[in-house]
Amino acid sequence: QKEVEQNSGPLSVPEGAIASLNCTYSDRGSQSFFWYRQYSGKSPELIMSIYSNGDKEDGRFTAQLNKASQYVSLLIRDSQPSDSATYLCAVNSQGGSEKLVFGKGTKLTVNP
Amino acid sequence: EAGVVQSPRYKIIEKKQPVAFWCNPISGHNTLYWYLQNLGQGPELLIRYENEEAVDDSQLPKDRFSAERLKGVDSTLKIQPAELGDSAVYLCASSLDRPTEQFFGPGTRLTVL
Repeated sequence: QKEVEQNSGPLSVPEGAIASLNCTYSDRGSQSFFWYRQYSGKSPELIMSIYSNGDKEDGRFTAQLNKASQYVSLLIRDSQPSDSATYLCAVNSQGGSEKLVFGKGTKLTVNP
Repeated sequence: EAGVVQSPRYKIIEKKQPVAFWCNPISGHNTLYWYLQNLGQGPELLIRYENEEAVDDSQLPKDRFSAERLKGVDSTLKIQPAELGDSAVYLCASSLDRPTEQFFGPGTRLTVL
């Protein structure tokens, strides 16, 4: 069973701080990694994708990938109350099906 | 560009009744996905279509669930008969190609009484 693990949280940070969200995965053959943001009662919204080892920056968001450690993270700089949401890590699963496997998500709260 | 459209947004039915959900993907997206999301969980894939072909339906409970994408554009997911445990959010997503970036519709929240 291919798994994606995330700390469920809740993770609470003050406004302006850096929020760090972590994800580990079990399928060594995975090649594609995604972060989705999901506000309460809403559907997941794609915010970052990363395919190669290293960092990828997009505005206040930075995704980090380490395939050797099977680890992917999302950093949110200058956190805002509007960043309060559940963040889902999704990993492409190989083995023929090539489907996305989602973690359970980490709930982030940014306190004003 | 219009996003993924789903209807209805909410549905409340009695157990053993049938229910159907409809999805229209982003224009030009060949791959369409149906997911189920329970509270506190990530989405779980039910079925994936590439054009009109169901290429991964291994997680679809085929005794009561069915899906179709006849012309390779919009899709319908059906449950018959519904059970109490089917209460969840049913999400449709689409992507330009598999298994790249997927974009989700607003979902249908199903409540089975």
